[in-house]
Parts: sequence; structure tokens; C-alpha cells
Amino acid sequence: GQQVMQIPQYQHVQEGEDFTTYCNSSTTLSNIQWYKQRPGGHPVFLIQLVKSGEVKKQKRLTFQFGEAKKNSSLHITATQTTDVGTYFCAGRLDSGNTPLVFGKGTRLSVIA
Amino acid sequence: SQTIHQWPATLVQPVGSPLSLECTVEGTSNPNLYWYRQAAGRGLQLLFYSVGIGQISSEVPQNLSASRPQDRQFILSSKKLLLSDSGFYLCAWSERYEQYFGPGTRLTVT
Repeated sequence: GQQVMQIPQYQHVQEGEDFTTYCNSSTTLSNIQWYKQRPGGHPVFLIQLVKSGEVKKQKRLTFQFGEAKKNSSLHITATQTTDVGTYFCAGRLDSGNTPLVFGKGTRLSVIA
Repeated sequence: SQTIHQWPATLVQPVGSPLSLECTVEGTSNPNLYWYRQAAGRGLQLLFYSVGIGQISSEVPQNLSASRPQDRQFILSSKKLLLSDSGFYLCAWSERYEQYFGPGTRLTVT
């Protein structure tokens, strides 16, 4: 079945350092989404990327969708303690009702 | 605006006991509904999803079942819990593409 691999599993950074998590799919995706789960909380939708090579920014967060629509990345510039949590990518094979396939997530710790 | 409710928030159940977790959504019609399980410190495992009343798709064969008796109600059940059923159970809904998750139920099977 379709798999979405996400690396690294864990990342510890000093506050102010940059952070990147990568997502790779075994098959071409229709779209990819990113979610953030704070410790003890539930996942919250961040963004969706649809177009090949698409780049979107949300303040210090930059999201990219690969040209082949098989990989994606989330980059955080100058991390803050509020960035702590687990970041999940989730891909969908088609634009219909098929469920998202979630990566296993990257847990980010920020040391002040 | 739309809201999603899950209860209970926490639950401790003995092995072999039944389970019923309820999820309701407000402020939308005919949403897609999902049940996920998250083991401690792990990723999200899709258990069931539903695109309409009475329509349930199972992603992982196990001792759990799901039902959708009403448009905005999704229920996760088990007749006999196993130790391995412990985890964080999340209900989610979607209308177009993004999913909105409920607050979750932390289940401990002892």
C-alpha cells in the first residue's frame, strides 16, 4: 500500500536554530498536508500543497512540494519554544474522498 | 462555526470489558468522519472512515468496530478490550480537504 515516510523521527534544537522535516511518498500524490500536534493535544491543520514545485510560507514556516509530487518539506526558521510539538505530513493519492496517509511525524524539541 | 466533540476525555478499562467512544460534529452536514489511534509517542493509525450514514470502511482488521447511526455521529466500539487497545483515540472530520481533529480520548486498558 501507499506509504509516506517522514524523517527525522526526533529533532532537538537550540532556540534560534533552524529545523527541517522531510516527507517522501512511494507514489505520486494529489496533494500533501501538514499538521502540528502540541504535546498532549490533537493534530491541527497547518497547510495544503497541491501544485508541483509549490512553495508556501506562514511566518517562519516554509512548506515545499517537490516537482514530482512525491516529496515535501517543512522548514522552520529561528525556532522558538512555541514550535515544540510533532509535525505530521499527510498525503492523498487522488482529489476525491480517499483517506489521507499520514507520516509517522517528527517530534521537535526546542531548548531555550 | 464547526465544532467536534469527543467523550470521555480519559478512560481506564479492564481487559475484556466493552468499549464505546462517541464523536459528534456540529455546524456541518454530511462530513467525512474518521477514527484514528495514536500509541504513546507514535504516529496516527487510521482505524475507520465513513463518507455517509451507515457507510464504514475499515483500514485495519482488529477487535474494534465503528458505526455511524446519524449524519454527524461516529461511534467506536469493542466487545472485549485487549491490552494493545490502549492509546489516544482521535476522531476527525473533513468537508473538503483538511481534517479537523477532536480533543481525543486517552484509553488505558489494564
